[in-house]
Amino acid sequence: EDKVVQSPLSLVVHEGDTVTLNCSYEVTNFRSLLWYKQEKKAPTFLFMLTSSGIEKKSGRLSSILDKKELFSILNITATQTGDSAVYLCAVHSGSARQLTFGSGTQLTVLP
Amino acid sequence: GAVVSQHPSWVICKSGTSVKIECRSLDFQATTMFWYRQFPKQSLMLMATSNEGSKATYEQGVEKDKFLINHASLTLSTLTVTSAHPEDSSFYICSARDPRSPNTEAFFGQGTRLTVV
Repeated sequence: EDKVVQSPLSLVVHEGDTVTLNCSYEVTNFRSLLWYKQEKKAPTFLFMLTSSGIEKKSGRLSSILDKKELFSILNITATQTGDSAVYLCAVHSGSARQLTFGSGTQLTVLP
Repeated sequence: GAVVSQHPSWVICKSGTSVKIECRSLDFQATTMFWYRQFPKQSLMLMATSNEGSKATYEQGVEKDKFLINHASLTLSTLTVTSAHPEDSSFYICSARDPRSPNTEAFFGQGTRLTVV
């Protein structure tokens, strides 16, 4: 059975702090790892990672994948209150067409 | 980019009634769509995989007679919660992946917040 584990489950920081969110996985026939941000409604796509060691970056957010150690991190620098959300990690494996989601990390950024 | 539209975005119904939720792919044909349920402060849990022209595949523990899925066309899948009860109150989300780009992100509908009173 595919597993995706995220840590921490929740995190409270102040504006300007840098945070690192973790995602580890155990899946059969890994194809890709995806990060989503979920506020009050449906998740919005952030990154898709397929290769080890190649950092993907979008503004203050960046992510990298380690396929040897089976984990990914999502970094957010200079956090803002608008970054407060649940961040979901999901893995697409070759044995299944659907995504397997982690439990999510609830990030709260205080002013 | 590819867009998935879900309707309604919220619904309140009486216990014992049925509710239908629609999920449409707007600019691509989706032979497969996925239905998730999310309880407060929990992650998305896959309920079923909707297959165009054939029966849906349900995850373990999901009652197929309670959560009826119909995928009659390449752009529309529907989830009907039959004889809804308060414990069915949840956030339901559908997703689909553009088959023209199979190894890309899944696109999500806006979600439907169901409240059964």
